This record gives sequence, C-alpha cells and structure tokens, in this order.
Amino acid sequence: EVQLVESGGGLVQPGGSLRLSCAASGFTFSNYWINWVRQVPGKGLEWVANMNQDGSETYYVDSVKGRFTISRDNAKNSLYLQMDSLRAEDTAVYYCARGIRGLYYYDSGTHVRVYYYMDVWGKGTTVTVSS
Amino acid sequence: SYELTQPPSVSVSPGQTASITCSGDKLGDKYACWYQQKPGQSPVLVIYKDSERPSGIPERFSGSNSGNTATLTISGTQAMDEAEYYCQAWDSSTAVFGGGTKLTVL
Repeated sequence: EVQLVESGGGLVQPGGSLRLSCAASGFTFSNYWINWVRQVPGKGLEWVANMNQDGSETYYVDSVKGRFTISRDNAKNSLYLQMDSLRAEDTAVYYCARGIRGLYYYDSGTHVRVYYYMDVWGKGTTVTVSS
Repeated sequence: SYELTQPPSVSVSPGQTASITCSGDKLGDKYACWYQQKPGQSPVLVIYKDSERPSGIPERFSGSNSGNTATLTISGTQAMDEAEYYCQAWDSSTAVFGGGTKLTVL
C-alpha cells in the first residue's frame, strides 16, 4: 500500500524550532518529488515547500523562506522539514504529499506547459506555536 | 505572486450537475488539478492535468481548462460528493492553491 506517515508535530513556543518527518512506503520514494502542505484548521490549503527526486531542486513559499528547510533521505525513504524561528501563524496541520511534475511541449516545441500535482497525501501532523 | 480564485460555496441538488470554477491569469496556459477534502480527512486528488481522472475516481468527475478559467464538473452529484474542493496550478516554481469551494448537496 502506498503510504505517507508524518510525525514530529507538537506544541512549541514562538521563536522555537521543530523538525517534522514523513515516512514513505509502498513505492519507490526516490522517483518522486515530495511536498509539505499546511492547513490552518477551518482554512484552506497552503503549499509550503517541495524537493525534486535527488534533492537538487528545492522551492519554498515566500512566508517560510529562510526559516524552514526541506530535506530528504532516499536511503531511508524519508522527508523532513526543519522549522526554525516559528511564529504563531505557522500553526497548522502539516501534510506530506507525493508530487508528480512533467513538461508538455507544444507549437513545435516553442512553448511548454508544466504540470504538477500531488497524488498521495499523508494524514498530517499538527504544529501549534504558542506561549 | 500568482493567485487562483474560487467561489466560496456552490450548492447542488442530488442528481444534478455541479460546476466549480477556478480563475487565474492565463490559467489555460498552465495545467490545473483538483482536490476533494472531506471534514477531518486529507485531500484526495480527483482531477489532474486539467481533465485526467486518477484511478478510483468516479467518471462523474470531469475537468476542463481554457482562457482564465478551469472548471471541475460533477455530473449526477451524490450526497457523498459534499466536500471542500481546491484547485491547484504550478507557477514560477511554486504550487498555488485556490481558496477552496464548499460544495453542498441539498
């Protein structure tokens, strides 16, 4: 069974740090992009960060740049999110999600469309930033 | 930064067709996908690459994308389809979600 299981959430004070983990199973982890997506209870989804298959590409939403670091260990089928300088607004459920990215060329290769979607999601881990 | 706009809510009667829109600048030049999220559950991918359905997603779910608008259509809507729906696209190396649409089946 294809599965993602997050862990590491908890209560942390503002300015503190937390490291989330995501354990993958049931598929070849090293073949896929992987994401962190968060959701404030009762609110919408917000993409946080992602990483390509070998870790050579990483992207972040502006609000976490310089504070969060995404990493992966393909030998351990695991994804991580190091969260530093945490703020109250980082309080959310954090999901790990498998990503699929590809390119479609058209007009004789003069134009390209990028597709990116997340086809497998974990159940999430809750992070609460509060004093 | 790129923005995707969805109506906050859509209502539909059982058996009727529900349409949920997602608007963004030249969205038709990008690929859109859609997720369904029920209360207390994780999101589930229901449409990818504008109109493709993952295995296990009922045929009543379909999608389109042209101009500035992507549309998720649910034909013969069932009570079990009541959920929050999110569109998503990829722009400038970031994944962008719409704000979500609450679909009510009544």
